[in-house]
Amino acid sequence: AQSVTQLGSHVSVSEGALVLLRCNYSSSVPPYLFWYVQYPNQGLQLLLKYTSAATLVKGINGFEAEFKKSETSFHLTKPSAHMSDAAEYFCAVSEGGDMRFGAGTRLTVKP
Amino acid sequence: DSGVTQTPKHLITATGQRVTLRCSPRSGDLSVYWYQQSLDQGLQFLIQYYNGEERAKGNILERFSAQQFPDLHSELNLSSLELGDSALYFCASSVYPTGEGSPLHFGNGTRLTVT
Repeated sequence: AQSVTQLGSHVSVSEGALVLLRCNYSSSVPPYLFWYVQYPNQGLQLLLKYTSAATLVKGINGFEAEFKKSETSFHLTKPSAHMSDAAEYFCAVSEGGDMRFGAGTRLTVKP
Repeated sequence: DSGVTQTPKHLITATGQRVTLRCSPRSGDLSVYWYQQSLDQGLQFLIQYYNGEERAKGNILERFSAQQFPDLHSELNLSSLELGDSALYFCASSVYPTGEGSPLHFGNGTRLTVT
């Protein structure tokens, strides 16, 4: 069965610094992979998705993620953090009938 | 605005009671999913419906049940409630079943508090 593991439940960066949120997946077949963001008191919003068309996927708000099959990874990056990026980020994998989420990484951005 | 509507936003009830959470999917979406989010369990997949039929089941307790109606709205019924059922319940929808690569569109959730 597919699953994702997010390394680091909390990440703190300074405004303007690189954001790197880590996600590793486990799947027996090439998966569909997603990153979602959750702001306080809101539902999850799609940031980007990987569907095998390209290994580097660009999303909204300047985020991108690279699919690396050899490392079974799908890390999320943003070159320069903004205060508004503070939120919880979830990596997810879908295979078959449902979507499974990682435990989430809370991103804090310091001024 | 994702287009997914969940009601009510907040629900406070006592142990042993039964509640119904309602979800209207985004226009055109045929699949509806229910998730439970709590601090200790994270985001747990409960159940999925596609065009009225149950498609996939996750960690859904026997005390919980759901259905999707002909107009595609869905209800999640929680009965014999326990303190541990206190959580945020999300509904999400997609055009196709997510196993075909469709992303999910989430509502803002129903916060259930069992006292």
